[in-house]
Amino acid sequence: QKEVEQDPGPLSVPEGAIVSLNCTYSNSAFQYFMWYRQYSRKGPELLMYTYSSGNKEDGRFTAQVDKSSKYISLFIRDSQPSDSATYLCASFSSGSARQLTFGSGTQLTVLP
Amino acid sequence: EAQVTQNPRYLITVTGKKLTVTCSQNMNHEYMSWYRQDPGLGLRQIYYSMNVEVTDKGDVPEGYKVSRKEKRNFPLILESPSPNQTSLYFCASSPAGTDYGYTFGSGTRLTVV
Repeated sequence: QKEVEQDPGPLSVPEGAIVSLNCTYSNSAFQYFMWYRQYSRKGPELLMYTYSSGNKEDGRFTAQVDKSSKYISLFIRDSQPSDSATYLCASFSSGSARQLTFGSGTQLTVLP
Repeated sequence: EAQVTQNPRYLITVTGKKLTVTCSQNMNHEYMSWYRQDPGLGLRQIYYSMNVEVTDKGDVPEGYKVSRKEKRNFPLILESPSPNQTSLYFCASSPAGTDYGYTFGSGTRLTVV
């Protein structure tokens, strides 16, 4: 079993929809959680970064972590065609020397 | 511009021919890491480095070597490439401390025939 599981999709939504992307993890030591966005033929870029449980908002994006259920979520409001990309969740523990463990990614398409 | 630069972007080679993929960052970051990305498997860490002359194995280190002689450079060496090392490779760097994520390079697509 992978330490971070992510539904690969693909996921297609109409422009303006609210998108919910989710991951689950199994390692209780994970304390830092990230979402990366990866466009085709590009490297991943950091989108959101959260520590422990709680919510973090940045513009149209909200990251949510529930450590009790080991659940990580990313919500995108008012989705745009430019949001079409693969979204990767990632985690690491405080004693891991920044060794990120990634989910396999969810491919999102926002249709105009 | 702050960035992680990998070269080459694309490489086709034959089994057993030693190759090096270079990685350089201009942000004075302490941490550097190599990942490979394969369909259905996501990004998996090959090696990482916490600072100059400090390197350690990630999840899939077999068949790879790294060195960190300078802070800005972190080359990935395949001494005897095999077809199962055909993959998309990413170098990444990060400052020390837990408040930062990794900045990734644009990737190197390697094909071993």
